[in-house]
Amino acid sequence: EVQLLESGGGLVQPGGSLRLSCEASGFTFSSYAMAWVRQAPGKGLEWVSAISSSGGSTYYADSVKGRFPISRDNSKNTLYLQMSSLRAEDTAVYYCAKDALGAVPDQFDCWGQGTLVTVSS
Amino acid sequence: QSALTQPASVSGSPGQSITISCTGTNSDIGSHNSVSWYQQHPGKAPKLMIYDVSNRPSGVSNRFSGSKSGNTASLTISGLQAEDEADYYCSSYTNSRSVVFGGGTKLTVL
Repeated sequence: EVQLLESGGGLVQPGGSLRLSCEASGFTFSSYAMAWVRQAPGKGLEWVSAISSSGGSTYYADSVKGRFPISRDNSKNTLYLQMSSLRAEDTAVYYCAKDALGAVPDQFDCWGQGTLVTVSS
Repeated sequence: QSALTQPASVSGSPGQSITISCTGTNSDIGSHNSVSWYQQHPGKAPKLMIYDVSNRPSGVSNRFSGSKSGNTASLTISGLQAEDEADYYCSSYTNSRSVVFGGGTKLTVL
């Protein structure tokens, strides 16, 4: 069974940092592109960032470019999102998602349960 | 990249069919077939219902179908059932090598 388990969320002050992790199991992690998608309370889905299967290519939404580097460790089957210079508008549930077809990270067939990030003083 | 445009809400009675539209631009839906639809029940993670415009993942009911014409994609649900009540989101790959989602549509089964 394909599973994605996010961790690392919590309450952080504006300007602070957090690192989200997503541990994958049940599939060949190194063969699939992965992504982070967030959802602010009561709002819709927002694509945040994505990474190719090898980690050699990364993609970012303008809203997080330069602040949220994405990375992966294929030896540990784990995806990361290093979040810095956090703002109130970054408050959201952050989902880890697996690309459906493997190559280009554009359609997601498996999602984690989400981890809540709250940016507040 | 602006969000794709979806109606805020649609409704239908059990057994009926409904269609949710998703309008983008020449830079996203109009240029790519990586158009997908997600179902999200309250407090749950999204679930992929349609990918590549009209393909259903294994396990998704054939009551769900997708299509695309120009810059607009559509999701049709036939034979509405109570468990179809949820939020639905479209998404598309873009020329900027990013993904854009629609604002979401709340489906109410009357």
